[in-house]
Amino acid sequence: AQKVTQAQTEISVVEKEDVTLDCVYETRDTTYYLFWYKQPPSGELVFLIRRNSFDEQNEISGRYSWNFQKSTSSFNFTITASQVVDSAVYFCALSPGGSYIPTFGRGTSLIVHP
Amino acid sequence: NAGVTQTPKFQVLKTGQSMTLQCAQDMNHEYMSWYRQDPGMGLRLIHYSVGAGITDQGEVPNGYNVSRSTTEDFPLRLLSAAPSQTSVYFCASRLGLGAADNSPLHFGNGTRLTVT
Repeated sequence: AQKVTQAQTEISVVEKEDVTLDCVYETRDTTYYLFWYKQPPSGELVFLIRRNSFDEQNEISGRYSWNFQKSTSSFNFTITASQVVDSAVYFCALSPGGSYIPTFGRGTSLIVHP
Repeated sequence: NAGVTQTPKFQVLKTGQSMTLQCAQDMNHEYMSWYRQDPGMGLRLIHYSVGAGITDQGEVPNGYNVSRSTTEDFPLRLLSAAPSQTSVYFCASRLGLGAADNSPLHFGNGTRLTVT
């Protein structure tokens, strides 16, 4: 069975602060995929990134970066110089290779104050 | 490209009423699923389908029925609505495993359902 833990229920920061959203996972599979999704206040869910278990390279996309560490079973998401538009609920998810069904964390609500 | 289309966006039901939430995708996705989202509970899987004619239960299937007669459509039926089914419902789809192992989910915009 898989498990995804997002221990931070809610994070509140002031604009321009850096913020890291934690994601810790459990799986016995050697092949698996990790995902981050964003749900802004408008309600839709948007895919941000996918990582497979064989690729531990960190990824940077503009102000967003992701740190995948198999040694600590973590896939953390950092927003640099946060902006009000980053306010959203962020979900981390895990899918074993060969399985359709992802396991979602409970989400972290990020509030960025102007 | 419409993606995943869910209707209606909002719905209010009385206890005991039935209704169908519609979901359609135009991306030829093999996998379709329904989630409900409740405060503090994240996304919980209700039912899913890996192809036309194939459906299976997720984590919280009670009170809901689904069918998959075509690749494009995956309606969710509430047979006798209860206040506990007040929630936001999301339909999601993705490519089949043969096409792309673990491609991301594409979500509809959600249906906010209130049962009084």
